[in-house]
Amino acid sequence: AQSVAQPEDQVNVAEGNPLTVKCTYSVSGNPYLFWYVQYPNRGLQFLLKYITGDNLVKGSYGFEAEFNKSQTSFHLKKPSALVSDSALYFCAVRAFGNEKLTFGTGTRLTIIP
Amino acid sequence: DVKVTQSSRYLVKRTGEKVFLECVQDMDHENMFWYRQDPGLGLRLIYFSYDVKMKEKGDIPEGYSVSREKKERFSLILESASTNQTSMYLCASSLTVPSTDTQYFGPGTRLTVL
Repeated sequence: AQSVAQPEDQVNVAEGNPLTVKCTYSVSGNPYLFWYVQYPNRGLQFLLKYITGDNLVKGSYGFEAEFNKSQTSFHLKKPSALVSDSALYFCAVRAFGNEKLTFGTGTRLTIIP
Repeated sequence: DVKVTQSSRYLVKRTGEKVFLECVQDMDHENMFWYRQDPGLGLRLIYFSYDVKMKEKGDIPEGYSVSREKKERFSLILESASTNQTSMYLCASSLTVPSTDTQYFGPGTRLTVL
């Protein structure tokens, strides 16, 4: 079985401050991890993914995520938040050999001007 | 860029109606997926298809069926719509089966069943 937990339903960050959106996962075997963002009334947009190699993955819009195997985490980060980063963020995991992608429940990020 | 389109952004139907949601992708992707998104539950997989005329049940297939007659088109069918099927429906596609592949999503259809 595979699962994802996003422990925070809501995260508020002041504009210009660093932001972190948390994600932990559980899989058997090697995990493949993804972050997506959803703006109001839109579909999901792919941000970044970890497959193998460097634990720090860089993605779209200045976002990055750090894979931590010992803590089974894949937190999304950005050094300086923009108001336009306000959106719903989803973490997802897929185990090697599994065609299904399992999503977390989402974290609503609000950047306060 | 990958483009996944869905036939309607908003749809209102009555209980008992048969509902068709259409999804089209233009990148020759092998795999297509249907999810529903509900607050606090995230995305849940309804059905997916890895080839024309092939389909696999996802986590919540009850009350739904699918059709894939052409590679680029994947339809979700609600045989007899019920109020508990009011939700946001998202279609996605990916190039091939490997676990590393990225899914690309359409804009979603917000379905309300009265």
